[in-house]
Amino acid sequence: NAGVMQNPRHLVRRRGQEARLRCSPMKGHSHVYWYRQLPEEGLKFMVYLQKENIIDESGMPKERFSAEFPKEGPSILRIQQVVRGDSAAYFCASSPQSRGGVTEAFFGQGTRLTVV
Amino acid sequence: GQQVMQIPQYQHVQEGEDFTTYCNSSTTLSNIQWYKQRPGGHPVFLIQLVKSGEVKKQKRLTFQFGEAKKNSSLHITATQTTDVGTYFCAGGIYGNKLVFGAGTILRVKS
Repeated sequence: NAGVMQNPRHLVRRRGQEARLRCSPMKGHSHVYWYRQLPEEGLKFMVYLQKENIIDESGMPKERFSAEFPKEGPSILRIQQVVRGDSAAYFCASSPQSRGGVTEAFFGQGTRLTVV
Repeated sequence: GQQVMQIPQYQHVQEGEDFTTYCNSSTTLSNIQWYKQRPGGHPVFLIQLVKSGEVKKQKRLTFQFGEAKKNSSLHITATQTTDVGTYFCAGGIYGNKLVFGAGTILRVKS
C-alpha cells in the first residue's frame, strides 16, 4: 500500500505563472488536507476535502488559490499568478473515513514551491 | 474558529535534559494526535490519545491528554540528538477535521 504521493517534489515558477500541486491519497482514504509551511514555521491549514466536496476552506486565500478532489484522480491544489510570497512547502495529508471520529493523518513528502 | 495553541515555539536543550511541549485548544477535542517532523522531512504520526486523562508512553516519550480534553503535553526524558525536529499536536474536531498547533522546534546540543 503506497503512502501519500505528492508531485512534483520541487517546483520552480516565475512570478505570474500557475502552479499545480498534486496529491494522491493512500488507497481507501477519502479525506484530504492541504497545509502550507514556511521555513522554521508550523503547518498552516489551508483546506479539507472529501471526494468531490470541499468541507472547509477557511485557510485558503480568497484569491488565486483553489483546490479540488475529484471522484477519479488526485487532489489538486492550484495557485494562479504566483507571487514570491507563495514560496513554501505544501503538504498534503490523507485519512480514512471513520465513524469514531478523526483518525491518524498520513502526510506526503511535500512539494517545495519556489517562485522566482 | 477552532484553534490549537502550542508552546513553546522553540526549545534548545543540552543533551540529557528533559523537554516538554504543551498544547491547548479553545474547544473540546474528540482526540489529540502528536506528530514529529525531522528537519527537511514531513510530519510523521507518533500517537493518538482519545480518553479524558489518558497517559501513554513510548520509550522516553510521555503523552498526556487533559481531563477536559482541551489540553495535552508531550514530555521527553533525557533528550538525545535524534530527538531533534518539530513536534506538532493536532486536535481532532468532531466532524473529522484535524487542527494543528504551530509546533515546537526542538534543538539538542551535544
